Amino acid sequence: SQQGEEDPQALSIQEGENATMNCSYKTSINNLQWYRQNSGRGLVHLILIRSNEREKHSGRLRVTLDTSKKSSSLLITASRAADTASYFCATDAGDYKLSFGAGTTVTVRA
Amino acid sequence: DGGITQSPKYLFRKEGQNVTLSCEQNLNHDAMYWYRQDPGQGLRLIYYSQIVNDFQKGDIAEGYSVSREKKESFPLTVTSAQKNPTAFYLCASSRLSGNTGELFFGEGSRLTVL
Repeated sequence: SQQGEEDPQALSIQEGENATMNCSYKTSINNLQWYRQNSGRGLVHLILIRSNEREKHSGRLRVTLDTSKKSSSLLITASRAADTASYFCATDAGDYKLSFGAGTTVTVRA
Repeated sequence: DGGITQSPKYLFRKEGQNVTLSCEQNLNHDAMYWYRQDPGQGLRLIYYSQIVNDFQKGDIAEGYSVSREKKESFPLTVTSAQKNPTAFYLCASSRLSGNTGELFFGEGSRLTVL
C-alpha cells in the first residue's frame, strides 16, 4: 500500500523561484525520506528526517516534518533547470521497507 | 565504483514467456528490494530481502518470483502469471539497521510485453 501522498501532482515554476511540495502519510513512522527521479532513471536519495526532528537542511533543500499532522514538506530554493524532475516522499514505518508516494513532477522554466 | 547494476535496460517479451531481470550490488548491503513503477505513478514494492536465502512478499508479489542465493545478487522473474507486466522495474539496496535508511537505486529495467 502507498503510505505517502504528494501534493501537488505537478508544479511549474520559473528558474530562480522556490518550489514547495507536500507529503501526507497515514501511520506513525521512524523516518521520512525524499528522493528525486529524472525521467527514465533510477531514484536518488535527497534527505532523511527522523521522527524526532522537525526541520532539516541540505544545500538548497529544506525539509520539515510535523508528526502531529502526519505531513512533511520539501522546499527547493532558487530553482535551476537541473531541478526538473519528479520528487517522491517515502516513509519507514518500522517494517524494514519504504513506502513511496505517487510523486510531484516539477518543471523549471528557463 | 560502488553501486547497483540492473540489466537489461530494455526488454521485450511475448505473452506467456517468463523473463528474469538481473540486479547486482557491490555496496556490501544486506537488504535488497524490487519495486515496480507504472507511468505517472509511484513505486510499489514487489519483494524484499534482508538476508541471504530469505525474502518477503511486498504489496504486489503475485506473478513474480525472486531468489537471494548471494548477498550481492537479487534477480526478479516476471512469470506468465503476471497479467500486466509492462512497467519500469527498479532494484534498490540498503544497509540493514534498526530503521530503513537510504535506498540506493539502479537505473531500472523497462519491460514491454508485445
